[in-house]
Amino acid sequence: IQLTQSPSFLSASVGDRVTITCRASQGISSYLAWYQQKPGKAPKLLIYAASTLQSGVPSRFSGSGSGTEFTLTISSLQPEDFATYYCQQLNSYPRYSFGQGTKLEIK
Amino acid sequence: EVQLVESGGVVVQPGGSLRLSCAASGFTFDDYAMHWVRQAPGKGLEWVSLISWDGGSTYYADSVKGRFTISRDNSKNSLYLQMNSLRAEDTALYYCAKDQILGSSSVGFDYWGQGTLVTVSS
Repeated sequence: IQLTQSPSFLSASVGDRVTITCRASQGISSYLAWYQQKPGKAPKLLIYAASTLQSGVPSRFSGSGSGTEFTLTISSLQPEDFATYYCQQLNSYPRYSFGQGTKLEIK
Repeated sequence: EVQLVESGGVVVQPGGSLRLSCAASGFTFDDYAMHWVRQAPGKGLEWVSLISWDGGSTYYADSVKGRFTISRDNSKNSLYLQMNSLRAEDTALYYCAKDQILGSSSVGFDYWGQGTLVTVSS
């Protein structure tokens, strides 16, 4: 299963609302996770099952979607949110492929 | 506190071999499947391999099948990746990651190590 994220690069300002889209090449129900990765750090799980917030993740992050189209929304960007975001499908056991990533930069 | 600590990454020549290790602590290791994920310099994440909680089932990405072997020693809370016939395109930061389970399904990788760098170069 191929995952395509859009956009690949996103420039935004503190306080902005931003949305990242992840499209799957075939239906994956709600078996989708989102990760945040900062430079030099390991990825961090933000959302699983498409819309469930991982414990400890701020509520400004939200996820939605099912089937083939999913979104990650950050309601009000904070300085610490500038990072690269990846989606991952967990429907096609065990080859849990990732999207190519979306780099979120400060405008 | 859950911790995953990888080791074993070095510079190796093409065609060479290497074994990576991942030491786990802070959770019941033999309750969970474990994964290796890699990231080439400046690139995205690539799932590499999965091993079931008991080591009885193993799976690989097509890019490494037949060359890499995942294993675990639950008595030592350790995960391993034996890498043979290494190629330049295997150069990457290798992470071990813990499965997060909801019901009987994996829903993500909730803990990751800091990664260990493998460089394949002559």
